[in-house]
Amino acid sequence: QQQVKQSPQSLIVQKGGISIINCAYENTAFDYFPWYQQFPGKGPALLIAIRPDVSEKKEGRFTISFNKSAKQFSLHIMDSQPGDSATYFCAAISGAGSYQLTFGKGTKLSVIP
Amino acid sequence: SQTIHQWPATLVQPVGSPLSLECTVEGTSNPNLYWYRQAAGRGLQLLFYSVGIGQISSEVPQNLSASRPQDRQFILSSKKLLLSDSGFYLCAWSVIVGGEQYFGPGTRLTVT
Repeated sequence: QQQVKQSPQSLIVQKGGISIINCAYENTAFDYFPWYQQFPGKGPALLIAIRPDVSEKKEGRFTISFNKSAKQFSLHIMDSQPGDSATYFCAAISGAGSYQLTFGKGTKLSVIP
Repeated sequence: SQTIHQWPATLVQPVGSPLSLECTVEGTSNPNLYWYRQAAGRGLQLLFYSVGIGQISSEVPQNLSASRPQDRQFILSSKKLLLSDSGFYLCAWSVIVGGEQYFGPGTRLTVT
């Protein structure tokens, strides 16, 4: 019940295209869903996050869509650029006294010119 | 603004040798601190977290230990490294429980 399932494992997108990464969870106690971007050899950087009281959050070219009833959330990267090539992790945490972020296994995104 | 430092950046150690990795946070007080390990091509596994000086909670039993001697300092240690301890070690901090966690640059540990 603590799992966050992330797909696809890898993704190749043309420059200017839309990258879509999906995550699903089972634990209904999760109430905070961040996305992290990680470049090779670097620590993950917080990209964008959402709480389940909203269905969508947009920051620049990055949008999180959240479907509470389906227990799914996704990251959309509009106008994908080669500089977006990185590994993306979705995560979830139950704010009720929980310290542990539960991470998906990651999606390696490659944006080709 | 807050910054988080980790050192060393890379480390190669023989099996059976001791380990000490250090993490420090600047620009905030009484942060929650975390140690994660990331195996190659895998997600992140929480190893330890700390809510205050001297307060350490372990998530995964292993031959690693953690200490928090100062408010913004978190140390990961081992008395005798195993081959399976190789990985990318990440320190993170947060202001509140259940909120955003911010990661450091990581330490790449190779046990030979």
